[in-house]
Amino acid sequence: AQTVTQSQPEMSVQEAETVTLSCTYDTSESDYYLFWYKQPPSRQMILVIRQEAYKQQNATENRFSVNFQKAAKSFSLKISDSQLGDAAMYFCAYRIITGANSKLTFGKGITLSVRP
Amino acid sequence: DTGVSQNPRHKITKRGQNVTFRCDPISEHNRLYWYRQTLGQGPEFLTYFQNEAQLEKSRLLSDRFSAERPKGSFSTLEIQRTEQGDSAMYLCASSLIWGADTQYFGPGTRLTVL
Repeated sequence: AQTVTQSQPEMSVQEAETVTLSCTYDTSESDYYLFWYKQPPSRQMILVIRQEAYKQQNATENRFSVNFQKAAKSFSLKISDSQLGDAAMYFCAYRIITGANSKLTFGKGITLSVRP
Repeated sequence: DTGVSQNPRHKITKRGQNVTFRCDPISEHNRLYWYRQTLGQGPEFLTYFQNEAQLEKSRLLSDRFSAERPKGSFSTLEIQRTEQGDSAMYLCASSLIWGADTQYFGPGTRLTVL
């Protein structure tokens, strides 16, 4: 079974600083996607960034980037120039590519607070 | 495109009652998913549809739970004989079949069973 582990329940960052959120996963599959989702206090889940496992290049989206280490099964999210609006729960998620199995498997999430 | 919508946003019910939630996906999205999220946890997969067909159901989906997507558009999730353990946020998501199949989530329905 696939599992996603986010071992840090909470993190805090000063506004304008950089923070890294950790995620590890366990799978026997070779083809899969990894995602980071953000869930602000209003509770609607928003996609932050996506990484295809077959791509060696780390994905970036503006201030958000990932460090994808396939051999180590590690997928961390770096937020640069943190803003107050970044405060939210962040979930790491995994999905295999092949077959009809399309479900996302989520970690428990990390609560990120941003200090002004 | 108004995104994924869910109704109602909040539902309070007494134990033993039946409840039904509705999800309207992004138009032209073929796949529709239901997840359940309890406080302090990540969402857990319940079931998903590709068009009208229900392709996968989690073992979390007991026989008191039923989901439908009769015309391949909106979906309903019904819980019969609710229990206090059913209290949770029920999230709906939709996606296209092709490409990265990124799932877009609705705001959720928060169920409280008294």
